Amino acid sequence: AQSVTQLGSHVSVSEGALVLLRCNYSSSVPPYLFWYVQYPNQGLQLLLKYTTGATLVKGINGFEAEFKKSETSFHLTKPSAHMSDAAEYFCAVSDNPSQGGSEKLVFGKGTKLTVNP
Amino acid sequence: EPEVTQTPSHQVTQMGQEVILRCVPISNHLYFYWYRQILGQKVEFLVSFYNNEISEKSEIFDDQFSVERPDGSNFTLKIRSTKLEDSAMYFCASISNLWTGKAGANVLTFGAGSRLTVL
Repeated sequence: AQSVTQLGSHVSVSEGALVLLRCNYSSSVPPYLFWYVQYPNQGLQLLLKYTTGATLVKGINGFEAEFKKSETSFHLTKPSAHMSDAAEYFCAVSDNPSQGGSEKLVFGKGTKLTVNP
Repeated sequence: EPEVTQTPSHQVTQMGQEVILRCVPISNHLYFYWYRQILGQKVEFLVSFYNNEISEKSEIFDDQFSVERPDGSNFTLKIRSTKLEDSAMYFCASISNLWTGKAGANVLTFGAGSRLTVL
């Protein structure tokens, strides 16, 4: 069965500092991996995704994530935090349906990012 | 940009009451989902729906839950007799096609959620 672990339910950084949100997954087949962001009172918005190909994936708002199969990780980073990045971030995995998996997403618990001025 | 719309944004109900949460998926999407998030816990898959029938459901989705696409635009989640533990944020999502296995596969579009509070 798939699972996602996000280390740290709360992360606090200063404006301009590096953002690192950790995500580890388990999956029985090659996974699809996603990061979603949720701003207050809004829906889940896709930040970036990894399906196949290049393991370093760039997303919106300057975020990127690297798929590391050997570490079963998909950590999210941004070189310089902005106040507008304050939100909750969710890592998710789905099994590759073309290899017998399911399209449904399995989410982590989320990490709330606070950006201090 | 097309949106998934959910109503109500917040509903408070008494235990044992029936609740219907409504969703309007993106108009050309074919696959529909409900997820929920109990406060402080993970976002969990409840059910997926395609071609007017449930395609997959989780063990959470017991006989108290049902889904319906009554008129070709709305997608509803009904809880027949709410329990305290049903208090959660419920997210609707839709997608035009299932993953194709190719890079750039489609992704779910989520609504803003409906917060259900059962007293």
